[in-house]
Amino acid sequence: NAGVMQNPRHLVRRRGQEARLRCSPMKGHSHVYWYRQLPEEGLKFMVYLQKENIIDESGMPKERFSAEFPKEGPSILRIQQVVRGDSAAYFCASSLVGRQETQYFGPGTRLLVL
Amino acid sequence: AQSVTQLDSQVPVFEEAPVELRCNYSSSVSVYLFWYVQYPNQGLQLLLKYLSGSTLVKGINGFEAEFNKSQTSFHLRKPSVHIRDTAEYFCAVSVYGGSQGNLIFGKGTKLSVKP
Repeated sequence: NAGVMQNPRHLVRRRGQEARLRCSPMKGHSHVYWYRQLPEEGLKFMVYLQKENIIDESGMPKERFSAEFPKEGPSILRIQQVVRGDSAAYFCASSLVGRQETQYFGPGTRLLVL
Repeated sequence: AQSVTQLDSQVPVFEEAPVELRCNYSSSVSVYLFWYVQYPNQGLQLLLKYLSGSTLVKGINGFEAEFNKSQTSFHLRKPSVHIRDTAEYFCAVSVYGGSQGNLIFGKGTKLSVKP
C-alpha cells in the first residue's frame, strides 16, 4: 500500500540548469496535482493532470515550467533554466477518479537553486 | 474566487493544554473544507475533512473541527495536546462539485507544544 512517491527528495541545481521532478501516484489513482510551497507560505496549486491530459494548468508559470503524466510511468514536472526564485518544496498529490476533493500528498521534492 | 485565512501564524501552548487553530474562508459557492498537518521536512497528511452532513468532524490524532457556515469558519481543536503534535497545520478548501480539483490553502499555523 505505497503512498504517493516523489523523487528525488532533494535536488540542487545551478542557475540555468533544468530540474525534473517525478511523482508516482497512489495505486489506483489516475489524477495528479502539483503544488509549490515557498518559504513561509502555504501551498499554491500549479497543475492538475490525468493520464495523457492536462486538466487545469491555471497555476503554472507561463514560461519555463511544464508538466506531463504519460500513459506509462510517473508524472514529471519540468523546470527549464532554473532561477533562484524557483527554490521551493514541490509537492505532488493524487486522487481517485471522481474524488478530486480528497487528495493524498507525497513527501515533496525540495529544490535548491544555487 | 476562494481564499483561506489562518489568523494565527504561530501558536505556542503547553503540553496537555487545549488548543484551537482558527481558519476562515471566503467563497461565493459551496466548498469542501480540510485540515492538513505537516511535520518538519515531510509531506502533508490529511487530518480531517468536511464534505457534508454533521458540522462537527472528527479526525485522526484526537483532533476535531466544526464547520460554521454563517461565520465561514472551520476551526481545528484538540482538548489536550502532546509534544508530538508540534507541526504546521494548514486549512484548505476546494469547490464543491467543481471539476478544477485544486485545493486552496491558508498560509499555515505553526503549533509549538512545550513541556
